[in-house]
Formats: sequence, C-alpha cells, structure tokens
Amino acid sequence: DAKTTQPNSMESNEEEPVHLPCNHSTISGTDYIHWYRQLPSQGPEYVIHGLTSNVNNRMASLAIAEDRKSSTLILHRATLRDAAVYYCILVPNTDKLIFGTGTRLQVFP
Amino acid sequence: NAGVTQTPKFRILKIGQSMTLQCAQDMNHNYMYWYRQDPGMGLKLIYYSVGAGITDKGEVPNGYNVSRSTTEDFPLRLELAAPSQTSVYFCATTLDRAYYEQYFGPGTRLTVT
Repeated sequence: DAKTTQPNSMESNEEEPVHLPCNHSTISGTDYIHWYRQLPSQGPEYVIHGLTSNVNNRMASLAIAEDRKSSTLILHRATLRDAAVYYCILVPNTDKLIFGTGTRLQVFP
Repeated sequence: NAGVTQTPKFRILKIGQSMTLQCAQDMNHNYMYWYRQDPGMGLKLIYYSVGAGITDKGEVPNGYNVSRSTTEDFPLRLELAAPSQTSVYFCATTLDRAYYEQYFGPGTRLTVT
C-alpha cells in the first residue's frame, strides 16, 4: 500500500488560513487522495478527496501537485472547532482505507 | 437517519471474558468496516464486509470475529479478551469501495483488565 508522510503537528491562529501538507511519492495513477479529520473523542470525519484536479467544498480545499506526489489541505479560515488530527490517505480502487498517524492541528484564539 | 450507531459506548471486561460490539447503519450501504484506535495512534482495520454474507480480514484480525447476516448490522465479537485489546473501536460504512466517503460511528471505548 502506498504510504503518506505528514508532519506530526502544526499550529495556527484563529481566522488564519492553514495549509496542511502531505507527501505521497509512491502514489499510483488510480489512487485517490482522501482527507479525514478526527476531533477529540469522536470518530473520523470525511473532509475532502480528489484524484488529479484541485477540489473545493464547504469545509476545505485540496490542492494536488501536478506530479501528484504531494497534496495540501487548505482550511481558509481556521476556527477553534478545526482543532483535530488530520489524516491524508491514499485510496486505491480496493476496499480498504489505511490510516497513518496524521497531523495534529492546534488552533489558538 | 441515525447514520452509524454503536453500542455500548463504554465497557470494562475482565481478562478472558467475551463480548460483542454492535454496529448498525441505516444508510443502506453495502460496505462496512471495523477499526481499532490505540491511544495516540491512527486507526487500524480489523475486519470489513462488502455485503451481507461476505467478510474479510484487515490488518489486525487476531482475537476478533465478525459476521454480516444483514445489510444493516455488522457485529464484532471478542473472544477471550486480553489487555492488548484495550482500545477504542470504530465502525464505519461506505456506499461502494474505499474511494467513497466513509461514515464513522461514535466509537466504543473498551478496557480489558
């Protein structure tokens, strides 16, 4: 299974943009890039996913490098509620998600 | 719609006891998953099912069993509980294969002493 590399932790101030990086140099052509987040004491929550093009939804934006070896999750204006662990996951055309250890995002008022 | 429900929320087991963690979904999804999450770690896949009557092992299946007799329910059975099974267990479901959005339940916190 292709692996992802994320920083262990990042910090942001409230209402500032946050760019969460993810490296996936062994990505294959059919792997989707998914992002989930997990708030304290809750189950993971889907954030966004993409294949080749940049994607936007109400929660975030996903910027995918042209060679697809890296991607960045963008939270446009961080709030205290965005403090969570963010997981970048490569999803092949199979039946399973493989979670890494993710990036713990702290948001300061 | 309740989405994905899990029971119980918390449980303490003695070593050697058995129990079943319940998971139910009302989304009519074919795919269901069981994960465990140890403190400070990411989720690890225990078992999954692609439809009623079909189950398969994930990364860490030892010490667990599953069954899938209906689309809605996917119980996880722990036989002969061990301290190493102390963890938070999450059930999830998705429409079709892993590249669709997964919906997670609230989790069951299990302690084995």
